[in-house]
Amino acid sequence: EAGVAQSPRYKIIEKRQSVAFWCNPISGHATLYWYQQILGQGPKLLIQFQNNGVVDDSQLPKDRFSAERLKGVDSTLKIQPAKLEDSAVYLCASSLSSNEQYFGPGTRLTVT
Amino acid sequence: DQQVKQNSPSLSVQEGRISILNCDYTNSMFDYFLWYKKYPAEGPTFLISISSIKDKNEDGRFTVFLNKSAKHLSLHIVPSQPGDSAVYFCAARGGTYKYIFGTGTRLKVLA
Repeated sequence: EAGVAQSPRYKIIEKRQSVAFWCNPISGHATLYWYQQILGQGPKLLIQFQNNGVVDDSQLPKDRFSAERLKGVDSTLKIQPAKLEDSAVYLCASSLSSNEQYFGPGTRLTVT
Repeated sequence: DQQVKQNSPSLSVQEGRISILNCDYTNSMFDYFLWYKKYPAEGPTFLISISSIKDKNEDGRFTVFLNKSAKHLSLHIVPSQPGDSAVYFCAARGGTYKYIFGTGTRLKVLA
């Protein structure tokens, strides 16, 4: 069974630029999560999708972050414009049930 | 407000001995708890979980204990192996199946 795929793995941008991350969940997993993990901290949920509907986006900075999950499969997370404090690893996870989540390898974003 | 806390940022243990990783939480409504292991440059990998209706769950060398009255859970690894060296996160599930993670404990198993 293929795991959660994410791209790119690494990205370096300057502040005020925009960036987009892509996630392909495990086939058949209805729930998809985007997390932000800042160095030294645990993953923090940004947004949770159930199929292509948003379940929770309470911690998504909506003035600069957006996410979509078209057709209930792949998802993209966008930051526009980026700030220095957005430097982090962005993790995508998917789950079949409400229990265990399966994480992708993450995208390490550096904003200079 | 850190609802899930891992107060030990790091832990070193000799190979073959027991590793005990601790996690405290503040929200009594959490109903499911999980432990994840994370190697560098990889995403977290699910390790073991426990429902709030249980106080122990075991899977091979890994056992998770839950003390609801103390709002405390722990992960025991016996015997510890060098390959267990990683960062361990505990996570708790709240409403709408939202997961809240601790800050992690870096375990180093010394050969």
